[in-house]
Amino acid sequence: AQSVTQLDSQVPVFEEAPVELRCNYSSSVSVYLFWYVQYPNQGLQLLLKYLSGSTLVKGINGFEAEFNKSQTSFHLRKPSVHISDTAEYFCAVSEGDSGGGADGLTFGKGTHLIIQP
Amino acid sequence: KAGVTQTPRYLIKTRGQQVTLSCSPISGHRSVSWYQQTPGQGLQFLFEYFSETQRNKGNFPGRFSGRQFSNSRSEMNVSTLELGDSALYLCASSLATPNEKLFFGSGTQLSVL
Repeated sequence: AQSVTQLDSQVPVFEEAPVELRCNYSSSVSVYLFWYVQYPNQGLQLLLKYLSGSTLVKGINGFEAEFNKSQTSFHLRKPSVHISDTAEYFCAVSEGDSGGGADGLTFGKGTHLIIQP
Repeated sequence: KAGVTQTPRYLIKTRGQQVTLSCSPISGHRSVSWYQQTPGQGLQFLFEYFSETQRNKGNFPGRFSGRQFSNSRSEMNVSTLELGDSALYLCASSLATPNEKLFFGSGTQLSVL
């Protein structure tokens, strides 16, 4: 079974500063990794995903994440945040190529990114 | 293209009642997944349907059930409601598998009194 740990429940950052949201996973098989964002009173939106290939993945809104297999991590980064980035960020994992990926995504508990002016 | 539509947006029920939530996926999407979101447990996978068949199920009691129709629309049902069932229920659709981009609806906020 897979699991996801997001170590920080809240991360306060000043506007235009860089940010890193941490995500670690555990799985006995190869994995697919995702970051989703949830704005207040909305559903989740996909920021980026890693399925295979280059370990540095670029997503929407200037976010990127790096897959590190040896450290079982998939940290999310942005070089300069904006007030509109205030949201809940979820890391998720699914087992790779398990007959169509039908095992469902396992989500972390989320990290609330708070941008301070 | 219309997004994922969930109805109703809010529901208030009492313990012991049952409830049915509806989800209309994006046109052409055949996979529909359901998640329960609570402040304490976060997002937890309920089940996933593809072509009217339940393809996988999370770790929830049998009171939670679902189905998918031939037009890919899906419903989930919770019987004998408990206070702990109060949550935001999110539906997500994708073309064929959840490993593709999942498109989420805004959810149904269920309150059990």
